[in-house]
Amino acid sequence: GAVVSQHPSWVICKSGTSVKIECRSLDFQATTMFWYRQFPKQSLMLMATSNEGSKATYEQGVEKDKFLINHASLTLSTLTVTSAHPEDSSFYICSARAPGGVTDTQYFGPGTRLTVL
Amino acid sequence: QKEVEQDPGPLSVPEGAIVSLNCTYSNSAFQYFMWYRQYSRKGPELLMYTYSSGNKEDGRFTAQVDKSSKYISLFIRDSQPSDSATYLCAMSANTNAGKSTFGDGTTLTVKP
Repeated sequence: GAVVSQHPSWVICKSGTSVKIECRSLDFQATTMFWYRQFPKQSLMLMATSNEGSKATYEQGVEKDKFLINHASLTLSTLTVTSAHPEDSSFYICSARAPGGVTDTQYFGPGTRLTVL
Repeated sequence: QKEVEQDPGPLSVPEGAIVSLNCTYSNSAFQYFMWYRQYSRKGPELLMYTYSSGNKEDGRFTAQVDKSSKYISLFIRDSQPSDSATYLCAMSANTNAGKSTFGDGTTLTVKP
């Protein structure tokens, strides 16, 4: 099946620093990737849709200047949390839409746990 | 009111039991229905997907969709301790938008 990786799997940083999270589709090309955040015991909240070669589309309430998304290639999208604060601590998960399918299936990465001190 | 409501659980069953997980939704445009399994501190894993109404079976898992009632279910037969996880339902209106609406998840524990 389709494999999506994320790096790092966890990160601890100081308040005010920036953190970059990578999402890679390992065995397929993904023109579209999605970034979610998930708080404990809650479901996935879509933050933005990342399209290769164009600007990301952000969901309402998500600050585009704080959560920078770059989808530079068909296998890599990055999320940079700029000037991170403790309230940004969360589980960030990316997914990639599998091409050629007839259903709206996404394959998720293993997630990145961000802790901001 | 949320577009997708999922039975919150948590659910605890003995090994071998039949498990029923359910979601209701309000958006009649939804046509694609998915179930994901998420282990603790991991990303969701696609378990089942169905299009429109009907049943789909894959091993011990059966997904049911009743569009007239706006109700979907996932049944797990002969449940195993390894099935212990959070199950998320998700649905979307079309194949190209790529944005699924997720339920909040039901946490299942299967006790040996």
